[in-house]
Amino acid sequence: DVQMTQSPSSLSASLGDRLTISCRASQSISRYLNWYQQKAGSAPKLLICAASILQSGVPSRFSGRGSGTDFSLTINSLQPEDFATYYCQQSYSVPYTFGQGTKVEIK
Amino acid sequence: QVQLVESGGGAVQPGTSLRLSCTASGFALTSYPMHWVRQAPGGGLDWVSFISYNGNNKYYADSVQGRFTISRDNSENMLFLQMNSLRPDDTAIYYCARVNGGAIWNLDLWGSGTLVTVSS
Repeated sequence: DVQMTQSPSSLSASLGDRLTISCRASQSISRYLNWYQQKAGSAPKLLICAASILQSGVPSRFSGRGSGTDFSLTINSLQPEDFATYYCQQSYSVPYTFGQGTKVEIK
Repeated sequence: QVQLVESGGGAVQPGTSLRLSCTASGFALTSYPMHWVRQAPGGGLDWVSFISYNGNNKYYADSVQGRFTISRDNSENMLFLQMNSLRPDDTAIYYCARVNGGAIWNLDLWGSGTLVTVSS
């Protein structure tokens, strides 16, 4: 199975900050990597697919990069609506594992 | 309105069964592969099962293999998850999610989830 490891598991940040969340796969998954945002009490929402393709309607302050085993999600100029938990997921092979999540909190 | 709505959750005892449903509206379910994903209280997302658009291919997480069965009725625009021999660690919100994309797929539409609680 492909294990997905996110870091950090949580972080505190201020409005306007730039932050980066990392996601590492236990083996190469090419660009088969998606990022989701989940706010408390709500279903996950797709942000980025195929490592770097921004979903329609997602603000351009979000960006993704990486391939192989190392990936990252960057949020430029953090906004109040960005405080949430972020998950990576590999779509390379069964089981389609998620990272453990990164909770972004207000400092 | 394009949406997915889960139903069928509830509180049950260990060893019993439950059947979850996911109803699609605003689009034809037959065009999309589908997944079930669950989330234990306070926990992360946990992939459960996948079914191809025509139902010919099905995959399961090891933790549910042999106990859960995914199926679909495209004529009714519905997805199902039959859960047998339920255990306390199956307690979670269960989401159905639609697959979008080609080779590098993603889950672009999620339902709001249905809560399953397994406890004696």
